[in-house]
Amino acid sequence: DVKVTQSSRYLVKRTGEKVFLECVQDMDHENMFWYRQDPGLGLRLIYFSYDVKMKEKGDIPEGYSVSREKKERFSLILESASTNQTSMYLCASSSLFLRDNEQFFGPGTRLTVL
Amino acid sequence: EDKVVQSPLSLVVHEGDTVTLNCSYEVTNFRSLLWYKQEKKAPTFLFMLTSSGIEKKSGRLSSILDKKELFSILNITATQTGDSAVYLCAVEPAGNNRKLIWGLGTSLAVNP
Repeated sequence: DVKVTQSSRYLVKRTGEKVFLECVQDMDHENMFWYRQDPGLGLRLIYFSYDVKMKEKGDIPEGYSVSREKKERFSLILESASTNQTSMYLCASSSLFLRDNEQFFGPGTRLTVL
Repeated sequence: EDKVVQSPLSLVVHEGDTVTLNCSYEVTNFRSLLWYKQEKKAPTFLFMLTSSGIEKKSGRLSSILDKKELFSILNITATQTGDSAVYLCAVEPAGNNRKLIWGLGTSLAVNP
């Protein structure tokens, strides 16, 4: 059974804290994605990675960074959390080469920044 | 600019009704269109469509793509309360490193 896991389901942090969100997939996928989802704004891509140590900015990268040191793990870092980063964060993975490019999602991390 | 537009934004129906959700798109070099269902958790994959006129079907759900008119529909027949969810449409342009362009979703509520 394919699986994408995220380190936390719920997280509460204070403004200014450094926050790490981790995502692990067991499908040997090349692509990994970080999205945030807010009411009325849909899924917005923060960063994605198509290979180890490779990353590309998505639509809303400001205030975030990422790290991909191993193929199965993709981390999202909030260097100095702010209240406007309160959101649902979703990680996803997909194959770069297979014809079917469905993205598999993790359960999400609901982050609250106080 | 590539975009995906879903309509309606929200819909309330009674159990047993049939619903049709719409997804229109404007992308350069279309590759595929995907439908997802999202309940109070992560999106789960429903269908991938790449060719016009070929219906994909899974139980009471079906979907079809029209590449000439640039849209897809998702049909749900004999709706049940368990169909209540947000339905997301996404399009993959070719040569985009497999990134998807997402619509805002249609929120469906099925009342008993």
